Amino acid sequence: AQKVTQAQTEISVVEKEDVTLDCVYETRDTTYYLFWYKQPPSGELVFLIRRNSFDEQNEISGRYSWNFQKSTSSFNFTITASQVVDSAVYFCALKNNQGGKLIFGQGTELSVKP
Amino acid sequence: ETGVTQTPRHLVMGMTNKKSLKCEQHLGHNAMYWYKQSAKKPLELMFVYNFKEQTENNSVPSRFSPECPNSSHLFLHLHTLQPEDSALYLCASSQDMQGPGDNEQFFGPGTRLTVL
Repeated sequence: AQKVTQAQTEISVVEKEDVTLDCVYETRDTTYYLFWYKQPPSGELVFLIRRNSFDEQNEISGRYSWNFQKSTSSFNFTITASQVVDSAVYFCALKNNQGGKLIFGQGTELSVKP
Repeated sequence: ETGVTQTPRHLVMGMTNKKSLKCEQHLGHNAMYWYKQSAKKPLELMFVYNFKEQTENNSVPSRFSPECPNSSHLFLHLHTLQPEDSALYLCASSQDMQGPGDNEQFFGPGTRLTVL
């Protein structure tokens, strides 16, 4: 069975702090894809990143970085120098390679205070 | 219009009403999805359509009835709903369901539904 766990339900930080959102997944597939989405208060889920299971290179995009470790089945997301606009719910998701459905974690609500 | 649009953005209905939610995607995708997002719960996949054919019904009660007249439009017809059906209903689209699993889904802004 496939499963995604985001153990942190809510995180609150002060602006300019770094924050890491954890994501742990379970799958028996050897080929799979991991995603992060951001859901601001407006409701729309915004795609942030996709990684495939064969690419363990960490990725950095501006203040965002992702750490993918197959050994621990984790795909963590770090925001450096957080800003108020980063306040949102963040979802980690998993998908297999046979056109299967996205399995979402429970989401982590990040609140960045000025 | 670009991306995925949903109307209405907010809907309040009584338990005996009949209403419909509409989703339209302008991305040339062939797969469309309905999700339900209740407070403090993960997103629940409800229905999937691929090339206008329903490929998944995730044990959704019959008071929710989807319709996909073409690859760009998806409807969710609602009738005799219950208060516990109050939630954010999100529509999404992706290139298709048959290719590699790397097709990301693009989401609409959702319809906030309140059932009185």
